[in-house]
Amino acid sequence: ETGVTQTPRHLVMGMTNKKSLKCEQHLGHNAMYWYKQSAKKPLELMFVYNFKEQTENNSVPSRFSPECPNSSHLFLHLHTLQPEDSALYLCASSQGAGTSVADTQYFGPGTRLTVL
Amino acid sequence: AQRVTQPEKLLSVFKGAPVELKCNYSYSGSPELFWYVQYSRQRLQLLLRHISRESIKGFTADLNKGETSFHLKKPFAQEEDSAMYYCALMDTGRRALTFGSGTRLQVQP
Repeated sequence: ETGVTQTPRHLVMGMTNKKSLKCEQHLGHNAMYWYKQSAKKPLELMFVYNFKEQTENNSVPSRFSPECPNSSHLFLHLHTLQPEDSALYLCASSQGAGTSVADTQYFGPGTRLTVL
Repeated sequence: AQRVTQPEKLLSVFKGAPVELKCNYSYSGSPELFWYVQYSRQRLQLLLRHISRESIKGFTADLNKGETSFHLKKPFAQEEDSAMYYCALMDTGRRALTFGSGTRLQVQP
């Protein structure tokens, strides 16, 4: 599959569960991003990785733990979440540092997370 | 702190009517602005960015630094333009996008 893929597409978990969201990009990009889209808030940036290095943590609670093993894969590990964490989690990728600062971000389809 | 405001949650027009989706921003530096669109059951995708000065699917957007606006316009709306539109501002230092809350455009036949 081309572009940015995310798995699973839907996830329901309890507050004591541990789960992981996966993102993969097939675009040869070097930067990857996690965003959160809640029903009542605009799309919010969570984390930025450039060449596998985390360059941005937008004050995200530690119950969200990102991992970027290589430039093509990005994970978001979830642990002891709260019901208010229920949202659509979007992954994106772009060319990354060294290119135009306005390089385009390409988005995945998202994972719809429900925390019970 | 940077901010993007889209004052309209919903904009409903008839086919063939002009469309203007409003976007205002606040940013201390030189802004890089984008419009993203999400059609029904599709992923968020870039529509256009101000630096390219392009017209995509008949849409244009002009950066007005005096009014701190980046409104999206199309002279004649089509039904297939119905979608959710998001204005976004890039913080060039952080490479981070700040999104507005989005405007749903409904084009009626």
